[in-house]
Amino acid sequence: DGGITQSPKYLFRKEGQNVTLSCEQNLNHDAMYWYRQDPGQGLRLIYYSQIVNDFQKGDIAEGYSVSREKKESFPLTVTSAQKNPTAFYLCASGRLAGNTGELFFGEGSRLTVL
Amino acid sequence: DAKTTQPPSMDCAEGRAANLPCNHSTISGNEYVYWYRQIHSQGPQYIIHGLKNNETNEMASLIITEDRKSSTLILPHATLRDTAVYYCIAGATSGTYKYIFGTGTRLKVLA
Repeated sequence: DGGITQSPKYLFRKEGQNVTLSCEQNLNHDAMYWYRQDPGQGLRLIYYSQIVNDFQKGDIAEGYSVSREKKESFPLTVTSAQKNPTAFYLCASGRLAGNTGELFFGEGSRLTVL
Repeated sequence: DAKTTQPPSMDCAEGRAANLPCNHSTISGNEYVYWYRQIHSQGPQYIIHGLKNNETNEMASLIITEDRKSSTLILPHATLRDTAVYYCIAGATSGTYKYIFGTGTRLKVLA
């Protein structure tokens, strides 16, 4: 089945550790996105990528890093520089043009810093 | 992308129509109105979108005012499974979809 797969679903990390969240899509979408969601809040854009080997910062990129070595994959690293990393992280993908503009989301990864 | 404004919460009786309003008074001519919903602890799900004509699909109807400054999402016969947070977004259909997801409307369908 086509879709977006995020892993792990739940992740615990100690303060000072980096952690990488995986996002893979088999929808042949050009664009991929990472959002962060805090309890009771909307989604905030962290990073996005339109093509392989290129990505741009969103509204809250500090303390995060990404890579886009393959069209299908857009991993997010939460670094120790992120002061408040406990949150729900959502990955999404979409076509760039010539369609509805719909985004497809994964099921999310919940990160807890102990 | 244009900013949107939604009421924080609404209740609806099961089997009745749920009408969720959205204000997008700064929407530009090439921006569509999108609706997504998020059931607790899941990723948002696309519902419907439109430019200026009213739209209907198997999930919902979208009514956009003639001046495009506001819209209403209609769930014709709400069920308990429609309890979710509903997001209204204004954005373009090409280029980078830097969609702004606000806090949305928390719809509770009551038995």
